[in-house]
Amino acid sequence: EAGVAQSPRYKIIEKRQSVAFWCNPISGHATLYWYQQILGQGPKLLIQFQNNGVVDDSQLPKDRFSAERLKGVDSTLKIQPAKLEDSAVYLCASSLVSGTGNIQYFGAGTRLSVL
Amino acid sequence: AQKITQTQPGMFVQEKEAVTLDCTYDTSDQSYGLFWYKQPSSGEMIFLIYQGSYDEQNATEGRYSLNFQKARKSANLVISASQLGDSAMYFCAMRDPWGGTSYDKVIFGPGTSLSVIP
Repeated sequence: EAGVAQSPRYKIIEKRQSVAFWCNPISGHATLYWYQQILGQGPKLLIQFQNNGVVDDSQLPKDRFSAERLKGVDSTLKIQPAKLEDSAVYLCASSLVSGTGNIQYFGAGTRLSVL
Repeated sequence: AQKITQTQPGMFVQEKEAVTLDCTYDTSDQSYGLFWYKQPSSGEMIFLIYQGSYDEQNATEGRYSLNFQKARKSANLVISASQLGDSAMYFCAMRDPWGGTSYDKVIFGPGTSLSVIP
């Protein structure tokens, strides 16, 4: 079974530029998550989708971050314009459904450096 | 508010020895779940083990076991017979249901860096 796919693996941009990350979840997984992981910290949830609807985006900086999950499968996360403090690893995860005991499976992440 | 605490920023263990990684949590909910993930230097978060708050027995998965003490709100990970490949960051995480909805939120602790010494 293929795992969660993310691209690109690495991205270097200058501040005020825009960037987009792509995620393809495990086939059949209804729930998709985007996390931000700053160096030395645990992942922080940015947004959670159930199929193509947003369940939670309370920690998404909506003035610069946006995310979509068209057709309930692939998802993209965009930052526009980027700030220095956005330098982090962006992790995508998926699970069959949401609920107690449901396991999230993660992709390898995209490491973003904003200069 | 829900919170996960991992008080050991870094740990060392001799190869083939057992090691315990500490995790304490804070929640007012009765139904919740606890996870441990491993993150090697490659960056991917790898699921290790899960314990539900109503599970009466401690979870085990191969060399991993979870020492769940509900009254103390702790969920320590025990790795037996450490291997060099166990060197990684380890994150404790908690799943909390949202106010009776079918959705839930997962929060992660700050992690513990484990180094296995040959």
